[in-house]
Amino acid sequence: DAMVIQNPRYQVTQFGKPVTLSCSQTLNHNVMYWYQQKSSQAPKLLFHYYDKDFNNEADTPDNFQSRRPNTSFCFLDIRSPGLGDAAMYLCATSRLGTSGVKADTQYFGPGTRLTVL
Amino acid sequence: AQTVTQSQPEMSVQEAETVTLSCTYDTSESDYYLFWYKQPPSRQMILVIRQEAYKQQNATENRFSVNFQKAAKSFSLKISDSQLGDAAMYFCAYRRGNTGTASKLTFGTGTRLQVTL
Repeated sequence: DAMVIQNPRYQVTQFGKPVTLSCSQTLNHNVMYWYQQKSSQAPKLLFHYYDKDFNNEADTPDNFQSRRPNTSFCFLDIRSPGLGDAAMYLCATSRLGTSGVKADTQYFGPGTRLTVL
Repeated sequence: AQTVTQSQPEMSVQEAETVTLSCTYDTSESDYYLFWYKQPPSRQMILVIRQEAYKQQNATENRFSVNFQKAAKSFSLKISDSQLGDAAMYFCAYRRGNTGTASKLTFGTGTRLQVTL
């Protein structure tokens, strides 16, 4: 089945130690998103890629970076995790067509729960 | 800026009964999409139902239906014949339409639904 996969499902890191979260998709969608979801809160968009074009949200801290080496994969890098970065990180994908076709529904992965010690 | 409000942090329903989750939103746009997403405990977020703002007819997906009141900016979700598997956090979300670029979802704070025997 076509899907959005996130690895690992649980990640523990130390304060200040860089960490990378991974997302892959078999949907062949051209847009990939990263959301941060803290406990009992709504998901908050960090950034997204439209093909190779990176789009950062204005309030996303510089500590968060992303890479998309190809259509299928997207990575979230946290350069120096703080205690406040402990959260669930959700990857989502959607398909944006050409010629003004509207962006399609977003499909979410299962998330990676990040713990910072 | 668009905002989405879910005024019910928690709801409870008995199995086989009907429950309605409330959502209101604020926007100055005329073209947009509204969504209900379901996030079961420790499982991924999945789309329950979507509504295009230009459609007057309320969307329906099996036991799930919405009451879309565009003038009142209200978008409630009705779950009929509730099942134990419906227990989850439900998020209402908004997305601008008619855009040539990928646009983000704005989520409400969620309603946690409990289903009792």
